[in-house]
Amino acid sequence: AQRVTQVQPTGSSQWGEEVTLDCSYETSEYFYRIFWYRQLFSGEMVFLIYQPSFDTQNQRSGRYSVVFQKSFKSISLVISASQPEDSGTYFCALSELIFGGYKLTFGTGTSLLVDP
Amino acid sequence: DAGVTQTPRHEVAEKGQTIILKCEPVSGHNDLFWYRQTKIQGLELLSYFRSKSLMEDGGAFKDRFKAEMLNSSFSTLKIQPTEPKDSAVYLCASSPPGQYEQYFGPGTRLTVL
Repeated sequence: AQRVTQVQPTGSSQWGEEVTLDCSYETSEYFYRIFWYRQLFSGEMVFLIYQPSFDTQNQRSGRYSVVFQKSFKSISLVISASQPEDSGTYFCALSELIFGGYKLTFGTGTSLLVDP
Repeated sequence: DAGVTQTPRHEVAEKGQTIILKCEPVSGHNDLFWYRQTKIQGLELLSYFRSKSLMEDGGAFKDRFKAEMLNSSFSTLKIQPTEPKDSAVYLCASSPPGQYEQYFGPGTRLTVL
């Protein structure tokens, strides 16, 4: 069974600081993808970035990047130059292939507050 | 392009009522997902459609939850009969062909009294 763990329920930073959010996972699949989403205070979930298991390069998208440690089954989201608008809850999600398609298993989230 | 839309945004129901939540995926997306989100259980998959075919019907939710997708641009989630423990945010998401990232709607906050 797949499992995604985010042990930090909350986090905080100051404007301009780099923030790292951690995620670990369990899977028996060889090929998988790990996604990061941010949930705004309104409830909307926004896709940020994903890392395919077969890619050894850490993915980057704007101010978001990941540190992927496949052998440890862990992945961290790094937000550079954090801003108050980055506040919200960050979810890590792991893909699982099912017959004819796929589904995502989500972690419990890390609530981030960036102080102005 | 319009994102995923969900209606209503808020719903209040009495215990035992039937409620229907609606979702319109992003045009051209062929995967559609329904999730329930609560503080205790987090995000739980209720149903998954690919090209209108039901791929996953979340086991624990089969009893009173029924999702349908009669055409590629519209899906409903029916809860019948509602119970107070169904109070949660219901999220709909869609995904384009060949892609894995899901795009979420704003959610429907359901309160069952």
